[in-house]
Amino acid sequence: QVQLQESGPGLVKPSETLSLTCTVSGGSISSYYWSWIRQPPGKGLECLGYIYYSGITNYNPSLKSRVTMSVDTSKNQFSLKLSSVTAADTAMYYCARGTFNYGQDYWGQGTLVTVSS
Amino acid sequence: DIQMTQSPSTLSASVGDRVTITCRASQSISSWLAWYQQKPGKAPKLLMYKASSLKSGVPSRFSGSGSGTEFTLTISSLQPDDFATYYCQQYSSYPYTFGQGSKLEIK
Repeated sequence: QVQLQESGPGLVKPSETLSLTCTVSGGSISSYYWSWIRQPPGKGLECLGYIYYSGITNYNPSLKSRVTMSVDTSKNQFSLKLSSVTAADTAMYYCARGTFNYGQDYWGQGTLVTVSS
Repeated sequence: DIQMTQSPSTLSASVGDRVTITCRASQSISSWLAWYQQKPGKAPKLLMYKASSLKSGVPSRFSGSGSGTEFTLTISSLQPDDFATYYCQQYSSYPYTFGQGSKLEIK
């Protein structure tokens, strides 16, 4: 059974960089794309971008200038960096596995990131 | 970006009822539509993909239909475990976008 687990600081100061890592277990990181999706408290879901196991990325244009994703296949991990954060970036951040047939079929439990001084 | 609009936003129903949620896309997405169920404090869970394909392990009381711009998710006989929020998502073109959600409440 594939499992994903997000990790990273739960509190980030305004203007700083949010950094999260997702560790994949129970399956290989190869042959899929790996997404970051966020959900502000009480609101809907927003795709931030995805990275393919080969390192190819596709970012949401609304965040493109602030988002960087990377993958480490040796550790079965992929990561998100979001720069110049503001209170509007406060959200539950989920990592998820994607396939072009199924959408996002496995999700992490999510990690709440609060942007506050 | 492709806009996804769900209706209704909130739905009250009873155990045993048949319910339908509608999702409309601002442009054609063929059948590249997924449905997710989310319970409070939990991650979304994939129910349906390619508009009408049931993910393995999901009860057969869930069904999906549609193509192009109009889609529906139907639950044939509501069970207590089904009270949750449901989201549609298009994965035809990036950024993949979600509907605003439909909250299914107990009447």
